[in-house]
Amino acid sequence: EDQVTQSPEALRLQEGESSSLNCSYTVSGLRGLFWYRQDPGKGPEFLFTLYSAGEEKEKERLKATLTKKESFLHITAPKPEDSATYLCAVQAANNAGNMLTFGGGTRLMVKP
Amino acid sequence: GAVVSQHPSRVICKSGTSVKIECRSLDFQATTMFWYRQFPKKSLMLMATSNEGSKATYEQGVEKDKFLINHASLTLSTLTVTSAHPEDSSFYICSARTEGRYYEQYFGPGTRLTVT
Repeated sequence: EDQVTQSPEALRLQEGESSSLNCSYTVSGLRGLFWYRQDPGKGPEFLFTLYSAGEEKEKERLKATLTKKESFLHITAPKPEDSATYLCAVQAANNAGNMLTFGGGTRLMVKP
Repeated sequence: GAVVSQHPSRVICKSGTSVKIECRSLDFQATTMFWYRQFPKKSLMLMATSNEGSKATYEQGVEKDKFLINHASLTLSTLTVTSAHPEDSSFYICSARTEGRYYEQYFGPGTRLTVT
């Protein structure tokens, strides 16, 4: 069974204090790993897709990396507007239904 | 690109009535759409996979007769909550999958359903 575990559950940072969010996964062949941002009362906003170990993608203050067992979302010099819940999800290569398996999310709070 | 809309964003209905939620992919065609339910401070729970022109595939524990899904075109899927009860109150979110070898899922803004 595919599993995704995100840590920490919640993270409080001061503005400008860089950190990383972790997404550990077990899947029978990875088709893709996805990162989303979700604000309260909104749908998840697509951030990145990573397909193979060693791949990295960046967007503004965010950088996602991937290994065979986990992915990290690095946040450099965060701002209060980066406060949100960050969701990680995986899709297995043998998943004919194309479903995503989500982790529990990391709730990030950035204080000014 | 890759924008998904949902309508309505909020709906309040009385117990026993039915409510329909629409999910549209605005700038791409989606043969596959997904419906999720999210409880407060929890992650997304997949309810069903909606395939254009065929019957939806429901996850274990989701009542097919209560949550009717129709995917009549490549840009529209609908979720109808039939005979709604207060326990159906929740945040419902749809997503649409882009096509091709490397595809992604884009989510709608969600619909807050309150059953009184």
